[in-house]
Amino acid sequence: GESVGLHLPTLSVQEGDNSIINCAYSNSASDYFIWYKQESGKGPQFIIDIRSNMDKRQGQRVTVLLNKTVKHLSLQIAATQPGDSAVYFCAENYSGNTPLVFGKGTRLSVIA
Amino acid sequence: KAGVTQTPRYLIKTRGQQVTLSCSPISGHRSVSWYQQTPGQGLQFLFEYFSETQRNKGNFPGRFSGRQFSNSRSEMNVSTLELGDSALYLCASNGGGPVYEQYFGPGTRLTVT
Repeated sequence: GESVGLHLPTLSVQEGDNSIINCAYSNSASDYFIWYKQESGKGPQFIIDIRSNMDKRQGQRVTVLLNKTVKHLSLQIAATQPGDSAVYFCAENYSGNTPLVFGKGTRLSVIA
Repeated sequence: KAGVTQTPRYLIKTRGQQVTLSCSPISGHRSVSWYQQTPGQGLQFLFEYFSETQRNKGNFPGRFSGRQFSNSRSEMNVSTLELGDSALYLCASNGGGPVYEQYFGPGTRLTVT
């Protein structure tokens, strides 16, 4: 499949451990944030989102934390599984119809 | 419901040539966005089309252009290819809601030699 990126930071975690992936965003006026997962050979897939009026949102095995003071976003994956191995991107959006701005991505490698 | 499809999946072109990539959005979706993905720059927005009109445009040279047809299918064209145009080109479709509610296709891998 396609190589998503050769220069990405990589996070290696043991299967069953929790993973934390971090992202610094650029625009303090951004009001919506999304995490995407991209597996080899596929396009990015939506994981979870959060609005700027929240600081935490939970999904199934995933939690997103937003710290607007330092413009920082994190994705926590509980009980990481081999199927979680992928590249993870954060994206920010300001006012609905402007384009998404993506972070550079982090490669998550799960060690079985 | 079928997802976003992109053709071709892989393409090899020579510097100076031009290329056309195609994207068919999810049925009923009228918005199509294009992105370029490279190891160095990550995912960068090229342009968005909605109902055959370009609604947003990224910061790319005029060699990159696009269009959308009445059936919402979209094409993007790159003229006078350069080595740096080698990338994964992703298309995303949107059902008319905010731009962040979009679904990505698998991409077209373009290699320029």
